[in-house]
Amino acid sequence: DTGVSQNPRHKITKRGQNVTFRCDPISEHNRLYWYRQTLGQGPEFLTYFQNEAQLEKSRLLSDRFSAERPKGSFSTLEIQRTEQGDSAMYLCASSLGQGTDEQYFGPGTRLTVT
Amino acid sequence: AQSVTQLDSHVSVSEGTPVLLRCNYSSSYSPSLFWYVQHPNKGLQLLLKYTSAATLVKGINGFEAEFKKSETSFHLTKPSAHMSDAAEYFCVVSDPGNTDKLIFGTGTRLQVFP
Repeated sequence: DTGVSQNPRHKITKRGQNVTFRCDPISEHNRLYWYRQTLGQGPEFLTYFQNEAQLEKSRLLSDRFSAERPKGSFSTLEIQRTEQGDSAMYLCASSLGQGTDEQYFGPGTRLTVT
Repeated sequence: AQSVTQLDSHVSVSEGTPVLLRCNYSSSYSPSLFWYVQHPNKGLQLLLKYTSAATLVKGINGFEAEFKKSETSFHLTKPSAHMSDAAEYFCVVSDPGNTDKLIFGTGTRLQVFP
């Protein structure tokens, strides 16, 4: 068990560019979550997957954001036409199943949009 | 809607003295509550969780929290602070409509002085 990994750890991009982040969950974890954390705030839920199915999307996730988990293993989060307001830490977590199973978090990807 | 309020944005203690991090929740019924810790450059880690069993919950690293329904509180305590406890702490409640979705407080930064 190597934990949840996220790549890249840091990304600096210019406004209007597209970016993609990757999350590798703990193997055999069925659920995968994406959160966003801005400076001085707690993480906010964005979306989550049960295997390859995306079950819920937050209102925070505008149509410029898309997440996939094509084979029920790793996931990608893409942001198109980035804006300065997208600058944040993007966190990924995974868990075994449903309910109050512990969510294990990765170290995050810090995005800076200039 | 479910929410949590962390009453202190910063708490400073001396090493060896007690720690108290305060959290109040709003809920129409008994929620699932958690405390997570975030060390710099590391992923969020679960300290403890309450899921309607014992009201006094023991977690890792000597932390515990008590669920008090009458006060809608879930304060985190530790009898004796250690330098390694310096971190950001988040009180978290699960969304009643979707227990997989975690709702984070704004965080309390704990400083420990020698």
